[in-house]
Amino acid sequence: DADVTQTPRNRITKTGKRIMLECSQTKGHDRMYWYRQDPGLGLRLIYYSFDVKDINKGEISDGYSVSRQAQAKFSLSLESAIPNQTALYFCATSEQNNEQFFGPGTRLTVL
Amino acid sequence: AQRVTQPEKLLSVFKGAPVELKCNYSYSGSPELFWYVQYSRQRLQLLLRHISRESIKGFTADLNKGETSFHLKKPFAQEEDSAMYYCAPAHHMDTGRRALTFGSGTRLQVQP
Repeated sequence: DADVTQTPRNRITKTGKRIMLECSQTKGHDRMYWYRQDPGLGLRLIYYSFDVKDINKGEISDGYSVSRQAQAKFSLSLESAIPNQTALYFCATSEQNNEQFFGPGTRLTVL
Repeated sequence: AQRVTQPEKLLSVFKGAPVELKCNYSYSGSPELFWYVQYSRQRLQLLLRHISRESIKGFTADLNKGETSFHLKKPFAQEEDSAMYYCAPAHHMDTGRRALTFGSGTRLQVQP
């Protein structure tokens, strides 16, 4: 299912660097989400957007920012990466029924 | 605090045995509840949602409002059911928007 894509798929970076993770979708959904997954903690919501002009903080937004460039694109930025931001990051999309469609994930390592 | 709890990190059963993956939630109001599944090397995907009352791949889940539970059940486990399972209520966030919160997940291992 290539409807939700994420780039890069893997990234290793150093503490203090600025990192951008990108998400694109061809499903035509208005709603997009960014999550991080850590072992034993499940998925935690970072930011979500219900349309191009709507950005909302999730459970763990500190240290992150987002940009909704278009309906199809939702980018996540780490302004100054730190080691505890090492995680698997997922983008997802949905319509109003809350059924979410996930991207393949980006594995980020901050040294 | 509002939360969703999946008490078992790992559930190991033999093929053909019944399976119950537990989920309890503590959200006020009437959350809409989902189960998502992640098979090895595949994306996280929707398994079922309580409002549809469907049985998907032999799995069912009943919402028990009195116990605030939404346990996932299957009478006879198959090896291909081995995966990570997440319970996810959709509820109103502080912003007033409705979004999903995922539990910590339960890994189901079905042994031959």
